[in-house]
Amino acid sequence: GENVEQHPSTLSVQEGDSAVIKCTYSDSASNYFPWYKQELGKGPQLIIDIRSNVGEKKDQRIAVTLNKTAKHFSLHITETQPEDSAVYFCAASENNLFFGTGTRLTVIP
Amino acid sequence: NAGVTQTPKFRVLKTGQSMTLLCAQDMNHEYMYWYRQDPGMGLRLIHYSVGEGTTAKGEVPDGYNVSRLKKQNFLLGLESAAPSQTSVYFCASSSNQPQHFGDGTRLSIL
Repeated sequence: GENVEQHPSTLSVQEGDSAVIKCTYSDSASNYFPWYKQELGKGPQLIIDIRSNVGEKKDQRIAVTLNKTAKHFSLHITETQPEDSAVYFCAASENNLFFGTGTRLTVIP
Repeated sequence: NAGVTQTPKFRVLKTGQSMTLLCAQDMNHEYMYWYRQDPGMGLRLIHYSVGEGTTAKGEVPDGYNVSRLKKQNFLLGLESAAPSQTSVYFCASSSNQPQHFGDGTRLSIL
């Protein structure tokens, strides 16, 4: 099955700086790559997703890039704010989702 | 619009007891999923359903059963709970992608 690796496991940045989280996947058949944000005591919420026919997608301060050849994709958050502090999960899917192990992002005011 | 609702939110069981977790969605989604989330392991798929009356095994199905008698509901059952099933359980639903998650059921088995 699919294997998704996510790095780093923890990330601390100063408010206003950028944050980058990276994921790799193993199954070249995967064609859908969502990113979820999970706040304490809540379920994961989709923040951005990308399909394999697109190399980059942006939504305000959040962007995702995909390199199909290298089988890796990344989440970029610019101008970070304290409310961006949460756990972020990447996932890869051909049919069912396979999740990375999460990155705990802390934005220091 | 409630989205995905999970009941109960918390539960403590003794080893060997049984229980059922309920997931309800009001988005008319065809697909529904049960995941478990353990520290350092992300979310892992237990069982899923592609429509009313259908179920299929995911990555970690052992020790669990599911039923989808109505389109809006997906039930997860533990027939004989074990300490290894202590986890946070999430239900999700979708039309295709993306999946929409509930806020979880925190289950402890002593």
